[in-house]
Amino acid sequence: GENVEQHPSTLSVQEGDSAVIKCTYSDSASNYFPWYKQELGKRPQLIIDIRSNVGEKKDQRIAVTLNKTAKHFSLHITETQPEDSAVYFCAATRTNAGKSTFGDGTTLTVKP
Amino acid sequence: DTGVSQNPRHKITKRGQNVTFRCDPISEHNRLYWYRQTLGQGPEFLTYFQNEAQLEKSRLLSDRFSAERPKGSFSTLEIQRTEQGDSAMYLCASSSGGGTYNEQFFGPGTRLTVL
Repeated sequence: GENVEQHPSTLSVQEGDSAVIKCTYSDSASNYFPWYKQELGKRPQLIIDIRSNVGEKKDQRIAVTLNKTAKHFSLHITETQPEDSAVYFCAATRTNAGKSTFGDGTTLTVKP
Repeated sequence: DTGVSQNPRHKITKRGQNVTFRCDPISEHNRLYWYRQTLGQGPEFLTYFQNEAQLEKSRLLSDRFSAERPKGSFSTLEIQRTEQGDSAMYLCASSSGGGTYNEQFFGPGTRLTVL
C-alpha cells in the first residue's frame, strides 16, 4: 500500500536558522503534496502545497521542492521564528482517489 | 464560524459501547474525509465521500466502523463495540471538488477515550 516516510522526527534549531524536513513516498501515482502545521491541541492547517507538474514553490519564508523521479519532496523554512515551533506533516495524495497518506510528523522546536 | 465543525469534542466511553461522531463540513464543499490520529503519528485515512457517495474506505477500517453522509452535507462516523485500541483523535476534513484538487480543511477533532 501507500507509504510516506518523513525525517527527521524531531528538529531543534536556533531562531534565525533554516529548517529542512524531508519526505519520500511510495505511490508513483501521487500528484499532490501538501504540508500541514499542527500546533499542540489544534487541528492541522495547510501551510504550502505543490502539484506534480511543478518542481518548486515558495511562499515568503517557506518553500517546497519536489523530485518526482526520486519520489522525494522537502519543506524548507528560512529565518525561523519561535512561533514556527509545531509538528509538521507531509502528505502524498492521488487526486483522482482523494485519499491522502501522511507522514508521521516532525516536531520542530525553534529556540529563541 | 464557517469552518469544519465536529461534535462532540471529547467522548469517554466504556469498552463494548457504541459511539457516534458528527462532522459538519464547510457548506460548499462536496468532499468529506475521516481520519484517525494517535499520539506521535500523522492522520491515518479512514474513509472519503464525494457528495453522499462513499468512494473509498481504508482496509484498516474494521466492520465495527461505519460512516454515512446521507444528504451530502454532514457525516456521521459510528464505532460499534468499542475497544481500547480505538482511543484516538478522530479528524474530519472537507474540500471542494472540481477538476483541480483542493486543500483539505480540518475540523477540531473528536477525542475518543475507551476505558
